[in-house]
Amino acid sequence: DTEVTQTPKHLVMGMTNKKSLKCEQHMGHRAMYWYKQKAKKPPELMFVYSYEKLSINESVPSRFSPECPNSSLLNLHLHALQPEDSALYLCASSQDPPGGAETQYFGPGTRLLVL
Amino acid sequence: GQNIDQPTEMTATEGAIVQINCTYQTSGFNGLFWYQQHAGEAPTFLSYNVLDGLEEKGRFSSFLSRSKGYSYLLLKELQMKDSASYLCAVLDSNYQLIWGAGTKLIIKP
Repeated sequence: DTEVTQTPKHLVMGMTNKKSLKCEQHMGHRAMYWYKQKAKKPPELMFVYSYEKLSINESVPSRFSPECPNSSLLNLHLHALQPEDSALYLCASSQDPPGGAETQYFGPGTRLLVL
Repeated sequence: GQNIDQPTEMTATEGAIVQINCTYQTSGFNGLFWYQQHAGEAPTFLSYNVLDGLEEKGRFSSFLSRSKGYSYLLLKELQMKDSASYLCAVLDSNYQLIWGAGTKLIIKP
């Protein structure tokens, strides 16, 4: 089973809203990732959690706030977003953190539209 | 700088064979991945190469030459459902994935 789930599938929010994206995996993977993908572009890494601790933050604006409540869950809290933040947000997990077994398995993504 | 090059778009015929090339220049190398991504969906893992040579997995094969900084993905017996973008990604010395821009593959009947 290589399933990563994400909710919601679609999200429309205003620039003053606060919302959260959720990601879950039950494969016992020790690393989880958030990516942002704009149309016709490759995924851009935002955050990496290794053993539930934030290990990589790719200079992401503070209006994006990640949280890892436990080893199976990863959240991305959104606040005061801009229209240019509209994109597909992908969660991924890998068995080992960067430096170990690296195959990343992706969730279906949340398509976010900021109005 | 880090750079991964792959063709923007390719067209092939159903039932045929297509080879998608990827060349890379990265700070270190810890493996190369190929992912398939259908429009509006998440990338799905296809293959991982860290040693030189060919890895075969059903209709898909992936080849790596580290000395040349080169890989290809070979798709045989093409089916209409293979129409997708194919992303090449390299793990650099910091174990971060560096992504190519992707190759859009169009399959015609």
